Amino acid sequence: DSGVTQTPKHLITATGQRVTLRCSPRSGDLSVYWYQQSLDQGLQFLIQYYNGEERAKGNILERFSAQQFPDLHSELNLSSLELGDSALYFCASSARPITGLSTDTQYFGPGTRLTVL
Amino acid sequence: TQLLEQSPQFLSIQEGENLTVYCNSSSVFSSLQWYRQEPGEGPVLLVTVVTGGEVKKLKRLTFQFGDARKDSSLHITAAQPGDTGLYLCAGVYPNTGNQFYFGTGTSLTVIP
Repeated sequence: DSGVTQTPKHLITATGQRVTLRCSPRSGDLSVYWYQQSLDQGLQFLIQYYNGEERAKGNILERFSAQQFPDLHSELNLSSLELGDSALYFCASSARPITGLSTDTQYFGPGTRLTVL
Repeated sequence: TQLLEQSPQFLSIQEGENLTVYCNSSSVFSSLQWYRQEPGEGPVLLVTVVTGGEVKKLKRLTFQFGDARKDSSLHITAAQPGDTGLYLCAGVYPNTGNQFYFGTGTSLTVIP
């Protein structure tokens, strides 16, 4: 158990719908990261927050948005869902933002499996 | 788009054999990490390497960072069924805003 929690574990919805994925970081961790993992694209970095502020942005679609709240939990909102959005979505956390020369550990949650029908 | 290629993509070996997994990029990394992911779970960090030429050992696992910091390898000695999983390398490149780029992954199966 990494200490990172994600809800829900599974989510099945239809195209065009909107969903919200929730992540609670490990106690004391200020940085949160979101990733998408699919069979054809592998693990893709979406976005990073540190203490409520956006720190880095990856290949996140405009239909997707995220935020980190004052209690440090984070939500990833996916709208106008398409079949291709079906994937595992992981949240990870670390004590501080991981930079190029940092050896901090990024702890991954168990993921949310999203299926768009 | 930065691309990390891992090889082989799939590997199936007998318990007790040795193996090496490779991670290559055309660009220099600031740092590189190796993860192992088991089905239905998130990746778990194994090691972080920062210095070119660096070698780190974790029990039967040996990680090496290339001198030019463009490649890395993971060597497992006397593989065990518990080593089965997806091995991912992940790199941070300079001047990319601290984005993590993950490799394509190596799926390892160790047969008892």
